[in-house]
Amino acid sequence: GAVVSQHPSWVICKSGTSVKIECRSLDFQATTMFWYRQFPKQSLMLMATSNEGSKATYEQGVEKDKFLINHASLTLSTLTVTSAHPEDSSFYICSAPGTSGVNNEQFFGPGTRLTVL
Amino acid sequence: AQKVTQAQTEISVVEKEDVTLDCVYETRDTTYYLFWYKQPPSGELVFLIRRNSFDEQNEISGRYSWNFQKSTSSFNFTITASQVVDSAVYFCALLYMIYNQGGKLIFGQGTELSVKP
Repeated sequence: GAVVSQHPSWVICKSGTSVKIECRSLDFQATTMFWYRQFPKQSLMLMATSNEGSKATYEQGVEKDKFLINHASLTLSTLTVTSAHPEDSSFYICSAPGTSGVNNEQFFGPGTRLTVL
Repeated sequence: AQKVTQAQTEISVVEKEDVTLDCVYETRDTTYYLFWYKQPPSGELVFLIRRNSFDEQNEISGRYSWNFQKSTSSFNFTITASQVVDSAVYFCALLYMIYNQGGKLIFGQGTELSVKP
């Protein structure tokens, strides 16, 4: 089956620094990838849709300048949390739809746990 | 507006009991997809099932079964003879299409299932 990886799996950083999270589709190409954020004991909330070769589409309330998304190739999307603060501490998960299109099953990465001190 | 409601925040059962997790959704679309995911403590989402809006057939997979009823906008999930390994958070999700933006996945609040020995 399709596999999506994320790196790093966890990261601890100081307040004010920037953190980059990578999402890779390992055995398939993904022109679209999705980024979710999950706070403890809460549901997954879609942050943005990453589009290969074009700008990302952000959900309402998500700051574009704070969460920079780059979809540089058909297998890699990156999320950079700029000037991170403790309130950005969360579990970040990416996903990519299967090759049959967006209607199909979405394959999720294992997630990245970010802790901002 | 699209919405998924999982009214049960937490459920606790004793091993071998049957348990049903409720999911109610709202959408005006005629074409949509419904999903169930399992999220163990590790955080990685595990895909359980996908259903499209035109397929109301109930499905059974081992100890798992799903009851999809469009008349009540419900997609309930039953675990028969529960086991400790079933302990996890379970999410119901709705995938709907947005013109020119593709499919978007919206999650319910999740139900934390605890199966005690």
